Amino acid sequence: DTAVSQTPKYLVTQMGNDKSIKCEQNLGHDTMYWYKQDSKKFLKIMFSYNNKELIINETVPNRFSPKSPDKAHLNLHINSLELGDSAVYFCASSQEAGRGEKLFFGSGTQLSVL
Amino acid sequence: SQQGEEDPQALSIQEGENATMNCSYKTSINNLQWYRQNSGRGLVHLILIRSNEREKHSGRLRVTLDTSKKSSSLLITASRAADTASYFCATAHQAAGNKLTFGGGTRVLVKP
Repeated sequence: DTAVSQTPKYLVTQMGNDKSIKCEQNLGHDTMYWYKQDSKKFLKIMFSYNNKELIINETVPNRFSPKSPDKAHLNLHINSLELGDSAVYFCASSQEAGRGEKLFFGSGTQLSVL
Repeated sequence: SQQGEEDPQALSIQEGENATMNCSYKTSINNLQWYRQNSGRGLVHLILIRSNEREKHSGRLRVTLDTSKKSSSLLITASRAADTASYFCATAHQAAGNKLTFGGGTRVLVKP
C-alpha cells in the first residue's frame, strides 16, 4: 500500500482552467503539506494542515485553495490556471506539526499549463 | 530565500567512488535532514541529525553537522549506479515553527 498517494500523476491543461489534485495518506499522521517544486528543483512549502486545520499558509496566490475533509486527505484546488503554475506539486505528511519531523512524500503531480 | 543550499549543484562519479555533498544554512536549526529524489519520483527521507549531534551513520551514508559553520555534509561511500538521484537537505528552524525548508539539491550521477 502506498503511504502517501496523490492523483493525478500528470495534469495538462489550458490557461484559465480550474483543476484539482487529490492526496491521501494511510500513515495515521496528523499533519499534511503541499509543496511546489519548480523547474530548478527548488522545493517550497505552500500549505500545511494539522488535523484538518490550516497552520501554514505561505505567500501563495489565493487562486490556490487547499481543503482537508479529514486528517487523511488534503486536496489542492487551483482556479484560473496560469503558465507560471506549471511545476511539480508534492503532497507530504508527518506525524505531528511544529517539531520538524521527517516528511513522507507522494510521488508528485506534474502540472503543465499550456 | 532558501535556507539550505547544497553544493555542488551536480556531481558525476564512477561506481565505487565516494560522493560528498554539502549543505549550508543561515539561521539556527532544530534539526537538519537529507532526502533523496529519483527522477520522476517523490522525495524519500534518508537521515535526520539534530542540532546537538555531530555525526550520524546509516548504512553507506554518513552525515556530519557543524553548527558553528552552519553546514552539513552527506557522504555516500562505495557508490552504486542506483545511487543516481538528486539529494536535498532540509532544515527545521525553531524560529519558523520548525517547518522544513529545502535547498535546490545536488544532482548525483554514478556511472557504471
